Amino acid sequence: GENVEQHPSTLSVQEGDSAVIKCTYSDSASNYFPWYKQELGKRPQLIIDIRSNVGEKKDQRIAVTLNKTAKHFSLHITETQPEDSAVYFCAAGSNYQLIWGAGTKLIIKP
Amino acid sequence: NAGVTQTPKFRVLKTGQSMTLLCAQDMNHEYMYWYRQDPGMGLRLIHYSVGEGTTAKGEVPDGYNVSRLKKQNFLLGLESAAPSQTSVYFCASSYGTSILETQYFGPGTRLLVL
Repeated sequence: GENVEQHPSTLSVQEGDSAVIKCTYSDSASNYFPWYKQELGKRPQLIIDIRSNVGEKKDQRIAVTLNKTAKHFSLHITETQPEDSAVYFCAAGSNYQLIWGAGTKLIIKP
Repeated sequence: NAGVTQTPKFRVLKTGQSMTLLCAQDMNHEYMYWYRQDPGMGLRLIHYSVGEGTTAKGEVPDGYNVSRLKKQNFLLGLESAAPSQTSVYFCASSYGTSILETQYFGPGTRLLVL
């Protein structure tokens, strides 16, 4: 079946440094790629999304890039802060199907 | 606006017991979803609904049933609970005519099946 692979499973960065999380997808029909953040014990919340007609999207310190040819997309967080510590999920969607990655635990070291 | 709410927050069941999880949203969203979240496996879609009176199977529907009798409510039923159904269950809803829209999640229900 269709799947989304997410790497790394855990990422530890120094506060102020950048963090990059990568996802690859298998369904070439996928055209919607959201990223959700889940803080410990909380519900997932959308932080940014991108559609297949766009190669890059930015929102302050967060950016997402999409390479449809290679079927991968990435989340970039610059100037990381303690409040960025969370689990981040990518997903790839087409028609009525949204497939989720397994998540990346981001740890911000002081 | 309460957003998406779930009842109960936590439940312990014995193998073979049944229960119903309730999801309610006050945002007039058309689409509603039930997910389960297990460590290291992300979110997996159980069932979803694209409108009142309609439901469809997701990625892992076995052992679960759903109903959407009212637009604002989406019920998830476990007819005969099994330990493999121990998980955190999230409900979500989205506005619009496509699954490719922002999903708003409830706070989750922790279910332990002994």
